[in-house]
Amino acid sequence: SQTIHQWPATLVQPVGSPLSLECTVEGTSNPNLYWYRQAAGRGLQLLFYSVGIGQISSEVPQNLSASRPQDRQFILSSKKLLLSDSGFYLCAWKGLSSTGELFFGEGSRLTVL
Amino acid sequence: LAKTTQPISMDSYEGQEVNITCSHNNIATNDYITWYQQFPSQGPRFIIQGYKTKVTNEVASLFIPADRKSSTLSLPRVSLSDTAVYYCLVGYNTDKLIFGTGTRLQVFP
Repeated sequence: SQTIHQWPATLVQPVGSPLSLECTVEGTSNPNLYWYRQAAGRGLQLLFYSVGIGQISSEVPQNLSASRPQDRQFILSSKKLLLSDSGFYLCAWKGLSSTGELFFGEGSRLTVL
Repeated sequence: LAKTTQPISMDSYEGQEVNITCSHNNIATNDYITWYQQFPSQGPRFIIQGYKTKVTNEVASLFIPADRKSSTLSLPRVSLSDTAVYYCLVGYNTDKLIFGTGTRLQVFP
């Protein structure tokens, strides 16, 4: 069966510090991978998605970046965090033949102080 | 990519049936309609998916009219544990999956 893991689960970082969130998927190959962010009390904002190794599509221009160094690994990064980067970050995957069903990780809660 | 519109919030009482409607006027021929449920501090989880007419599973029913420009998620006899945010998502093997604002359902005792 397929599983998805992301870490760390909780992170408190000062403004201007770097960020690295990691997501890995097991039990499937060549999945589509997604990073979403959810601010407090708000909906899901699509940040990045990837259809293959090294292929990243950015949806919202900001100080975040994403990379996919391996087929089942997706990393969200920032060189300098802003207060507005605080939120709940969710990684998700979708199979190539899927009709739209996404499977989400446990989420990473980031607080920027 | 079909844009979706849902009510921001709904209130209900335990034991009642709840119907949440999603509008997707520019749905494409191949698009499927998928509904998710999200609890606080958790990722959304799949509830039900359909293409046309009616789909039913152990937790919900999904009604899709012939023109497919809207869909209705029906939750029978809700309980307090159904308090959550519900999202509809429209697409077919689409790479770019954008969620709408979702509907915040509050169930009261």
